[in-house]
Amino acid sequence: QKEVEQDPGPLSVPEGAIVSLNCTYSNSAFQYFMWYRQYSRKGPELLMYTYSSGNKEDGRFTAQVDKSSKYISLFIRDSQPSDSATYLCAMSGRRYGGSQGNLIFGKGTKLSVKP
Amino acid sequence: ETGVTQSPTHLIKTRGQQVTLRCSSQSGHNTVSWYQQALGQGPQFIFQYYREEENGRGNFPPRFSGLQFPNYSSELNVNALELDDSALYLCASSFARQGSSPLHFGNGTRLTVT
Repeated sequence: QKEVEQDPGPLSVPEGAIVSLNCTYSNSAFQYFMWYRQYSRKGPELLMYTYSSGNKEDGRFTAQVDKSSKYISLFIRDSQPSDSATYLCAMSGRRYGGSQGNLIFGKGTKLSVKP
Repeated sequence: ETGVTQSPTHLIKTRGQQVTLRCSSQSGHNTVSWYQQALGQGPQFIFQYYREEENGRGNFPPRFSGLQFPNYSSELNVNALELDDSALYLCASSFARQGSSPLHFGNGTRLTVT
């Protein structure tokens, strides 16, 4: 079993839809959870960062962590064509990977938002 | 504020050859990490450098090596290239103080090994 599982999609939604992206993980030592967005031919860009269980909201984006179920989610409200990208979940036992920078990433989910 | 820059953007090498990839960290960052992203996969941690020394390493063989220079630029060297080394190589910089800061990624070098 991989440490982090993420459905690669692709996921196609109409503009304005609510998007739900998810990851499951097996390592109970993970405490820090991140979502990155990666446009084609670009590097990953940090979208959301959450520590332990709970919710975090930033504009149209909401990140949820359920440590008891080892399940994290990213919700995108009022999705736009500009949200079309690959979304990567990442996690670590230390803040942002700690002093050793080691983040464990999911495979990424490719999202397409159609106008 | 300049971001993380990587060169070259694309590279084609033959199996058995050696390659050097370069990275210039974001201004003010003193730590650099390298990741390998195979097609359709998430990035995998190769290693991190802090104060010119390797500070952590993922599950990659010794033929993957690196350097960090006093100006915080960095190199990733891969010897005896194999076909499976074909991937996007990402450099990420951060500032290590108390705790850590988010990784800022460059746009990567696409390496193709034939």
